[in-house]
Amino acid sequence: DQQVKQNSPSLSVQEGRISILNCDYTNSMFDYFLWYKKYPAEGPTFLISISSIKDKNEDGRFTVFLNKSAKHLSLHIVPSQPGDSAVYFCAALISNFGNEKLTFGTGTRLTIIP
Amino acid sequence: EAQVTQNPRYLITVTGKKLTVTCSQNMNHEYMSWYRQDPGLGLRQIYYSMNVEVTDKGDVPEGYKVSRKEKRNFPLILESPSPNQTSLYFCASSRSAAGAKNIQYFGAGTRLSVL
Repeated sequence: DQQVKQNSPSLSVQEGRISILNCDYTNSMFDYFLWYKKYPAEGPTFLISISSIKDKNEDGRFTVFLNKSAKHLSLHIVPSQPGDSAVYFCAALISNFGNEKLTFGTGTRLTIIP
Repeated sequence: EAQVTQNPRYLITVTGKKLTVTCSQNMNHEYMSWYRQDPGLGLRQIYYSMNVEVTDKGDVPEGYKVSRKEKRNFPLILESPSPNQTSLYFCASSRSAAGAKNIQYFGAGTRLSVL
């Protein structure tokens, strides 16, 4: 049972344009969401996060939007740069003391075309 | 430099031969975790530890053991590896498991092949 889903395995975007990566979840108990970025032969690195009490969080070129009613979040990258080419994982967390567990999606491979 | 170090990076072994993948972090983090990454399945948690001597099962714990005798180390043990444990493994640590603090730092990964 995949509680966090990234339905697009891959996405190609022209350099300078906006990249939008999507993530859906099924468990309404998730109250914190994170995005990680992964380059080949490296471990994932944290990118940006959002609490369920917010609907938007921005950090430079990266913005995450959360729509709780739709159980959907998205990561916007603008403008997209070649160095953004990587696999992006969304992850969700239930902040229940004694049961903190991060659930990851399956990942989306983003390719930025120069 | 703050880092999570896993060894070995690559390992080929045979069915049934016990192996250990080591993981060490130098950030004094309380929380450590092991994941496996498989095509189409993303990252799935194997075991996690919220502090020394406290470990718990993740989503796919069968066939794995862990220990947390010291804060910095969290080895993954495969007592009798099988081919379905062929995968890419990541160790991660974070300052705390709770909410905004659960930004996990990952090692570079261990690619394991079980023949």
